[in-house]
Amino acid sequence: DTAVSQTPKYLVTQMGNDKSIKCEQNLGHDTMYWYKQDSKKFLKIMFSYNNKELIINETVPNRFSPKSPDKAHLNLHINSLELGDSAVYFCASSQGNSGGYEQYFGPGTRLTVT
Amino acid sequence: KNQVEQSPQSLIILEGKNCTLQCNYTVSPFSNLRWYKQDTGRGPVSLTIMTFSENTKSNGRYTATLDADTKQSSLHITASQLSDSASYICVVSAPGGFKTIFGAGTRLFVKA
Repeated sequence: DTAVSQTPKYLVTQMGNDKSIKCEQNLGHDTMYWYKQDSKKFLKIMFSYNNKELIINETVPNRFSPKSPDKAHLNLHINSLELGDSAVYFCASSQGNSGGYEQYFGPGTRLTVT
Repeated sequence: KNQVEQSPQSLIILEGKNCTLQCNYTVSPFSNLRWYKQDTGRGPVSLTIMTFSENTKSNGRYTATLDADTKQSSLHITASQLSDSASYICVVSAPGGFKTIFGAGTRLFVKA
């Protein structure tokens, strides 16, 4: 049983396109996150949602727009893709929004912008 | 500025040997510290979590230590196996949630 799933696993697209990445968790968690892992392997938080409400929005271009239709889903839409957006994007979830809760990560989506 | 620094950046050891990875942080105030293991092509998985009052925590062959006074943590891997080859990421959180800082990770290669 997959706890946190992401689709697609790989995404190759051209500059200027708009794309979406979907994330679903079946753990019953209240909080979901999007992270970006660049080529240097740094994991950086982008967004955090708790019960469908945005609670963290780090300095991310407004081309990135998260959408949470319900507690179990947090999708990431990216407009006007740029070369620098190429990275692995991880979705995660946790029981609560305190740092004391373990975060469960999805398998990642490798985005390549050409 | 809140930071988490890990060393070494990468490490190669022979199967069966022990190794220790280091994590220094400046996050303050401090709530807890986690070590994650990230296999190539997969998401990170939590190995241990320690709060301010805990000095050591074990998970099988993995033992994490924490010195909250010096703001240092280590992850010791005993009798390494080929499957231990992965990145190990130190993550420090401040109280109340929301501020969680990830280290850059240590890339461990275990060779037969």
